[in-house]
Formats: sequence, C-alpha cells, structure tokens
Amino acid sequence: DILMTQSPSSLSASVGDTVTITCRTSHPISYYLNWYQHKPGRAPELLIYASSTLQNGVPSRFSGRGAGTLFTLTVNGLQIEDFATYFCQQSYDYPRTFGRGTKLEMK
Amino acid sequence: QVQLVQSERDVKEPGASVKVSCKASGYTFTNPVVMWVRQAPGQGLESVGWINTLDGRAEYSPKFQNRVTLTTDSFSATVYMELRSLGPDDTARYYCALQKTFRVGPARIGYSALDGWGQGTTVIVSS
Repeated sequence: DILMTQSPSSLSASVGDTVTITCRTSHPISYYLNWYQHKPGRAPELLIYASSTLQNGVPSRFSGRGAGTLFTLTVNGLQIEDFATYFCQQSYDYPRTFGRGTKLEMK
Repeated sequence: QVQLVQSERDVKEPGASVKVSCKASGYTFTNPVVMWVRQAPGQGLESVGWINTLDGRAEYSPKFQNRVTLTTDSFSATVYMELRSLGPDDTARYYCALQKTFRVGPARIGYSALDGWGQGTTVIVSS
C-alpha cells in the first residue's frame, strides 16, 4: 500500500491567515492526489483532484500543488467556514490510501 | 447530483456481523464504482473495498479480504457492505462514496476521486 504522511496533524490559525498542509507519499504517484474537507457530522467533500484542479464550486482561495511524492494544499485568506479537517488521498493505485488528516482550528 | 444515504447506527457484539446499506437517492448510480472507507476513533480513513455497480465485481483491501463482502442491488440502487467476525477494532464510522473519473488537460487524462459521500454509519462493537 502507498503510505500517506500528512502534516501537520493540527493547525491553529485566524480568519484571513494563509495556511499550508503537506502530504507526502511513500511512492511516486504523478498527479494522482486528491484533497477533501471534512466537517463534524457531515460527509467529506472533494476540494481538489489531480493535485491542483478545483472541484466545481470550491472557492479559489483553495489551491493545490505538487507531483511525485510531495503535495500541498494552501488556503489563502481563511474564512470562518474553512475551519475543518482536511485530508489527502492517492488515486494512483489500489487500495486507495489516505492521509491521517489535518484539523484546522481557530486560534 | 446523486446523494448517498446510509443506514443508521448499529451496535454489535464481538463475533457478530454487520450489514451497512448505501442507497443512491433520486437516481441510479451514474458512476459505477462505489468505495467503502472507514474511520476508527482517533484514526485516519482506510479503504475497506470497492464495487462496480454495473457488473457487481468487488475488490477488497487485503486487511479485510477474508471477512467483508460488498454487494449491489441495481433495482433499488443500493450497495451493501457486510463485515463479519467483528471485533472491538471494527468500531468506526463507515462511509460509502462514489468514485468519479475526471478528465484533465488537453490529453484528457483520467483522474479518479471520491465525489459524493454518504453521511456515514457508526458501527459500535461492544459486549
């Protein structure tokens, strides 16, 4: 299985801040990396696929970069509704594997 | 947009089996592959398995290979996950999700992602 190492596990920030979350894979996966947002009590939502393509309806303050084994998710100008847990997932191989998540909390 | 609605919370004793359902509301499955993932308390997400709802072919993560069965009922647009020989470590929230293929760039390369998740089903294994 492809191991996903996501960091940090938690992050404190304020509205308006810019934050970056990193996801590293144990095996090169080209651009086959997705990012999701998960809020308590709700279903996860797809934010970004293919490393950098925003899903329809996702605000442009979200951006993804990376290829191979290193990927980042950046949120520019945090809004209240962005405080949630974010996790990465590789779609290069089966079984699909996930990062352990980054909990973004309000400072 | 297809919505997935899962069955309610379930409590089972160790050694028992649980069957969780995932129904596509409003439409049949427009994307054939449905994945099941779970999240145990304090843990990350892990894949349980996936099923092609067109032909019923399922594959399973090695960890669950011997005790999970995924099935589909095309008439009711429902997929099921049955997990057997439950232990306390199976206490988790189980999600179904649609795996979609997105075509990207001039070469229209296909990238899959989970777009459309069920609300999750909590399974508690306790004596």
